[in-house]
Amino acid sequence: DQQVKQNSPSLSVQEGRISILNCDYTNSMFDYFLWYKKYPAEGPTFLISISSIKDKNEDGRFTVFLNKSAKHLSLHIVPSQPGDSAVYFCALGPQVSAGGTSYGKLTFGQGTILTVHP
Amino acid sequence: DGGITQSPKYLFRKEGQNVTLSCEQNLNHDAMYWYRQDPGQGLRLIYYSQIVNDFQKGDIAEGYSVSREKKESFPLTVTSAQKNPTAFYLCASSYSFSFTNTEAFFGQGTRLTVV
Repeated sequence: DQQVKQNSPSLSVQEGRISILNCDYTNSMFDYFLWYKKYPAEGPTFLISISSIKDKNEDGRFTVFLNKSAKHLSLHIVPSQPGDSAVYFCALGPQVSAGGTSYGKLTFGQGTILTVHP
Repeated sequence: DGGITQSPKYLFRKEGQNVTLSCEQNLNHDAMYWYRQDPGQGLRLIYYSQIVNDFQKGDIAEGYSVSREKKESFPLTVTSAQKNPTAFYLCASSYSFSFTNTEAFFGQGTRLTVV
């Protein structure tokens, strides 16, 4: 049973427009949410994060929104640039157990391939 | 420069052979992780280690083994028991396993192909 889903395998956007990548999760115990960017044959690199106490975090062209009631996370990139073309993964964690201990392992979505056309 | 290094970048293995993937970090991180990436799927956790001389199974540990004898190193062995080993393997580390708001840093990955 997948706890984290990125329902769009791919997204194509024109340069200068907004890219919106979405991520849905089922477990409300997650309390930290991250986005990673990955180029082919390379490891993912951290992009931006948000904790469960916030609903928005902005860093330059990148903004992450969190809707806890809907268990929905999104990443907005504006304006999109050709260099943004990559696979984007949402990752959730740590997960707080019933005993109050945080577990550091991240749970990843399937990824969305973003292509930004010049 | 601090970072996390995986080697080799490409690895070919004959069926029935064990093979070990290297992962070294000089970030002084306590926690280390091994993930596997297959097409159309997210990163799946194989094993993780919270601290030296300790490791736990992740979601897909069958056919894999690890060791954590040094803080800097977390090698992964893909055994002949792993039925579908061809994949892209990613090693990661983070400052602490139990500290909240910790991002993971990833290596460049190893592409393993069974021939």
